[in-house]
Amino acid sequence: DAGVIQSPRHEVTEMGQEVTLRCKPISGHNSLFWYRQTMMRGLELLIYFNNNVPIDDSGMPEDRFSAKMPNASFSTLKIQPSEPRDSAVYFCASSAGESYNEQFFGPGTRLTVL
Amino acid sequence: AQSVAQPEDQVNVAEGNPLTVKCTYSVSGNPYLFWYVQYPNRGLQFLLKYITGDNLVKGSYGFEAEFNKSQTSFHLKKPSALVSDSALHFCAVRDRGGSYIPTFGRGTSLIVHP
Repeated sequence: DAGVIQSPRHEVTEMGQEVTLRCKPISGHNSLFWYRQTMMRGLELLIYFNNNVPIDDSGMPEDRFSAKMPNASFSTLKIQPSEPRDSAVYFCASSAGESYNEQFFGPGTRLTVL
Repeated sequence: AQSVAQPEDQVNVAEGNPLTVKCTYSVSGNPYLFWYVQYPNRGLQFLLKYITGDNLVKGSYGFEAEFNKSQTSFHLKKPSALVSDSALHFCAVRDRGGSYIPTFGRGTSLIVHP
C-alpha cells in the first residue's frame, strides 16, 4: 500500500487566493482527519470524517476553511481566501474501524501564504 | 474529556544511554494510548500503542512504553539511544468509551548526542 497520499507537497500562494489541499486515505480506512501543525500551536485537529460524513469540525478556524469527502478515497481541504496566518503544514491521516487503531499520516502539505 | 501532558519540551541524552520521554493522561474511562514519532519534514509515524493486557508494550525501532494506571502515565523508553532516534515524539490518548478523536500532546523533541 502506498500509504496516505497528499498533494501538493508544497504550495506557495499570495494572500487572497484560493488554496485546495488533497488527500487520498489508505484503502479500507473509514476515518479521516485533517490536522494543521505550526511551531506556535503544535498539532491541531481541524476536522474528522467517519464513513465520508463530517463528524466534528469544531477545529476549523473560520468560514474561510471548508472540507469535503465526496467518496471513501478522496478528501479536500479548501481555504478561500487565504491569509498569511494560514501558513502551516497540513496533514491528512486515516485510520480503520475501531478507536484502538492507530492513525496513518500523510507526508503533509507545506503551505506558505505571502 | 480527555487530555495529554508531555511535561518536557526537549530531552537530551547521550548515545548509548537509556532514554525516557514522559507522558501523562487524563480520561473519563479507560484509555487507549499511542506514541508517534515525527522526523524532520515528515508526517507522524506510529511507534506503539496500549490497548489492554500487559502493561509493557514494545514497538518499532526498539522503543517500549509502560502503562501505569495508578500514575496515569505512559512513558516512552529505550534502553540504548541512537543518534537516529532524534526526532519529535508525540503521545496521544483516546477514551475507550468516548470519541474516536485522539488528543495529542504538544510533543517532546528528543535529541541524542553522539
